[in-house]
Amino acid sequence: QSALTQPASVSGSPGQSITISCTGTSGDIGRYDYVSWYQQHPGKAPKLLISDVNYRSSGVSVRFSGSKSGNTASLTISGLQAEDEADYYCTSYTSGTVIYVFGTGTKVTVL
Amino acid sequence: QVQLQESGPGLVRPSETLSLTCTLSDYSITNGYYWVWFRQPPGKGLEWIGSIYHSGNTFYNPSLRSRITISVDTSRSQFSLELSSVTAADTAVYYCAKDQGFSFDSWGQGTLVTVSS
Repeated sequence: QSALTQPASVSGSPGQSITISCTGTSGDIGRYDYVSWYQQHPGKAPKLLISDVNYRSSGVSVRFSGSKSGNTASLTISGLQAEDEADYYCTSYTSGTVIYVFGTGTKVTVL
Repeated sequence: QVQLQESGPGLVRPSETLSLTCTLSDYSITNGYYWVWFRQPPGKGLEWIGSIYHSGNTFYNPSLRSRITISVDTSRSQFSLELSSVTAADTAVYYCAKDQGFSFDSWGQGTLVTVSS
């Protein structure tokens, strides 16, 4: 089971919007609405941002939103802030023998 | 949210068995949900290791299936991971987490396990 594909890095200036893509296959993202997104600061555990494609977890800023089209899911961060600088991972439930597959991870840099 | 805490040795010798326990605070593991182990090698991405329900039903990553055992102790609200025949490639931060239903809403802080002689 291959990892989901994410861009290695995305950057933006404070206040801008950025979008992180997560590309899978018809056996994972394309089949199920079970895509979730996680934020991970250095040395910290991942934090759930978005579940089921577009549901914000409790306490998560409305600046974070998720979507899906075909085999690709996306996380958009609007009004970029310095505290958003972190690594971001997508994951999806899959029909394969691996129940959950993760994305390759994207480092977000706030310029 | 439930609090989770990993515990276990930080150093394991090659070919030996890595053993970790995840303890839930102020929460019964029989409340439902699957409980999950992940790992993250230094500087790399996350990998799902396996999941367990309080009944003992398990799902394992096929790439690790021959070497892993995940078990649950409902009386202590703990679940555990054993990974046998470890090599340097198993060096990673190991996380336990709660699967709220196809996503993971509570995580332990993680514990670094180094495989080295």
